[in-house]
Amino acid sequence: EAGVAQSPRYKIIEKRQSVAFWCNPISGHATLYWYQQILGQGPKLLIQFQNNGVVDDSQLPKDRFSAERLKGVDSTLKIQPAKLEDSAVYLCASSLERGGIFRNEQFFGPGTRLTVL
Amino acid sequence: GEDVEQSLFLSVREGDSSVINCTYTDSSSTYLYWYKQEPGAGLQLLTYIFSNMDMKQDQRLTVLLNKKDKHLSLRIADTQTGDSAIYFCAEWDSGSARQLTFGSGTQLTVLP
Repeated sequence: EAGVAQSPRYKIIEKRQSVAFWCNPISGHATLYWYQQILGQGPKLLIQFQNNGVVDDSQLPKDRFSAERLKGVDSTLKIQPAKLEDSAVYLCASSLERGGIFRNEQFFGPGTRLTVL
Repeated sequence: GEDVEQSLFLSVREGDSSVINCTYTDSSSTYLYWYKQEPGAGLQLLTYIFSNMDMKQDQRLTVLLNKKDKHLSLRIADTQTGDSAIYFCAEWDSGSARQLTFGSGTQLTVLP
């Protein structure tokens, strides 16, 4: 079974530029998550999709961050414009659904390391 | 809100046991997880425990839960160099938030 795929793996941009990250979840997984992991910290949830609908984006800085999952499969996360404090690893995860423990097991991709100069 | 705390670093000798500790605050947590993160990789689920359990053993891993003190620990028996990684404790909020809250991670270094 293929895992969660993310691209690019690394990205370096200057502040005020835009950047986009792509995620392909495990086939059949209804729920998709984007996390931000700042160096030395645990992952922090940014947004959660159930199929192609947003179920939780309360921690997403909506003035600069946006995300979509148009066909309920792949997802993109965009930052526009980027700030220095956005430097982090952006992790995508997927699970079968939001429910019980087994179905909620989240499988993580390798992440995209973003450096904002 | 939820808060999960871990000590930042742990060093052990190869062959010894490692014990990684975690405290959490959300009394409504129903599941608690341990994830492992190796350099440049995503998080890998190691094990989990239901909140109504005290202990769970899975090969070299033993999870202990003290629900009264909201304390969780992960014991790795016969620690190997391949166990060197960052270990994250996480709690699942089964309430309205329905999300995982992670600790800051414990960097485990296994010395030869």
